[in-house]
Amino acid sequence: AQSVAQPEDQVNVAEGNPLTVKCTYSVSGNPYLFWYVQYPNRGLQFLLKYITGDNLVKGSYGFEAEFNKSQTSFHLKKPSALVSDSALYFCAVRDSGGYQKVTFGTGTKLQVIP
Amino acid sequence: EAGVAQSPRYKIIEKRQSVAFWCNPISGHATLYWYQQILGQGPKLLIQFQNNGVVDDSQLPKDRFSAERLKGVDSTLKIQPAKLEDSAVYLCASRQTSGRGNEQFFGPGTRLTVL
Repeated sequence: AQSVAQPEDQVNVAEGNPLTVKCTYSVSGNPYLFWYVQYPNRGLQFLLKYITGDNLVKGSYGFEAEFNKSQTSFHLKKPSALVSDSALYFCAVRDSGGYQKVTFGTGTKLQVIP
Repeated sequence: EAGVAQSPRYKIIEKRQSVAFWCNPISGHATLYWYQQILGQGPKLLIQFQNNGVVDDSQLPKDRFSAERLKGVDSTLKIQPAKLEDSAVYLCASRQTSGRGNEQFFGPGTRLTVL
């Protein structure tokens, strides 16, 4: 069975500092990996994805993520955090074969402190 | 491009009542998902449609939940009868199936409160 782990319920970072939100996964076969952001009372918004190719992927709002196959990780990063980045972040994995079942992590609340 | 539409946005019912949610995916998206998101948790897949066929409903509580997508476009999710533990946000998402790495697009969700 595939799974996603987001080990931190909450991450606090000062505005202007770099941020990292961690994600590890387990899936049979090659993974498709995604990050989504959720603001209060809103649906999930797509940030970025890894399908194949370069291990460093760039996405919306200055976010990027690094795929590490040996560590089965896909950590979300941003060089300089903004207060407006404060939100709930979800990592998701999709099996590249079959019906492409999607599994989401439990989410990490990012709090950027002014 | 219009996004995924859901209605209603909020619903309050008493336990043992029934409720239905509606979703209109992005035009041309053949794959449609319904998720349940309980406060403080990640979205849990309830059912996945490919056009009007079900491809995964392994986590749908079939004794009380049902979903349909009769014409391969709009979808409805029904709960009958509702229980207290069904209080959650119900999210609909759609995906363009051509291109296996395509991301999902989510609607704003329906917040259900069961009293």
